[in-house]
Amino acid sequence: GESVGLHLPTLSVQEGDNSIINCAYSNSASDYFIWYKQESGKGPQFIIDIRSNMDKRQGQRVTVLLNKTVKHLSLQIAATQPGDSAVYFCAENMPNYGGATNKLIFGTGTLLAVQP
Amino acid sequence: DVKVTQSSRYLVKRTGEKVFLECVQDMDHENMFWYRQDPGLGLRLIYFSYDVKMKEKGDIPEGYSVSREKKERFSLILESASTNQTSMYLCASRSLTYGYTFGSGTRLTVV
Repeated sequence: GESVGLHLPTLSVQEGDNSIINCAYSNSASDYFIWYKQESGKGPQFIIDIRSNMDKRQGQRVTVLLNKTVKHLSLQIAATQPGDSAVYFCAENMPNYGGATNKLIFGTGTLLAVQP
Repeated sequence: DVKVTQSSRYLVKRTGEKVFLECVQDMDHENMFWYRQDPGLGLRLIYFSYDVKMKEKGDIPEGYSVSREKKERFSLILESASTNQTSMYLCASRSLTYGYTFGSGTRLTVV
């Protein structure tokens, strides 16, 4: 799961297994959530999003689950592949933050290491 | 696809230098952002802009300024670079809907 501190939490999985990455978010007013994937040396890449009026959303091999009661978000990756190895982090959107825009707050990330 | 381009992937600058990081997006997005990313701290918002010539401070604006003279371009300026500004800098843009698109990042080292 997400953590502050100098070392990223790491999830190590075997190729072909399912992966579950967890995230605790901070603001009950957040209305939108995003999962990003960041490969080494690259910028974050959008994976999947979910609005606060939903509790589950599925994409291709990925599913995001939202539990607003406990302010918890998870990303499930089916049949994990070596190309899925990256840092994954969640972001929550806080509406009406200054000016005319919203603010994304990012988690610190989880390193997914896929073993062949 | 939206493209956000950061002009440099790697930069090495000396303490006290004035540093310009450039970011260009090609989708006519209103909102643009500058973040820095450090191990264990995640992405922290430095400045953002929701229109040309408009700018707002983020969470850690000290030591930085920005410029948005054209809609597609958002520049981050380090007035006098210091070693604690060594970091990965990420630019992002967003339309009036929610999705953010990030550039590839600029890894800045201040020596």
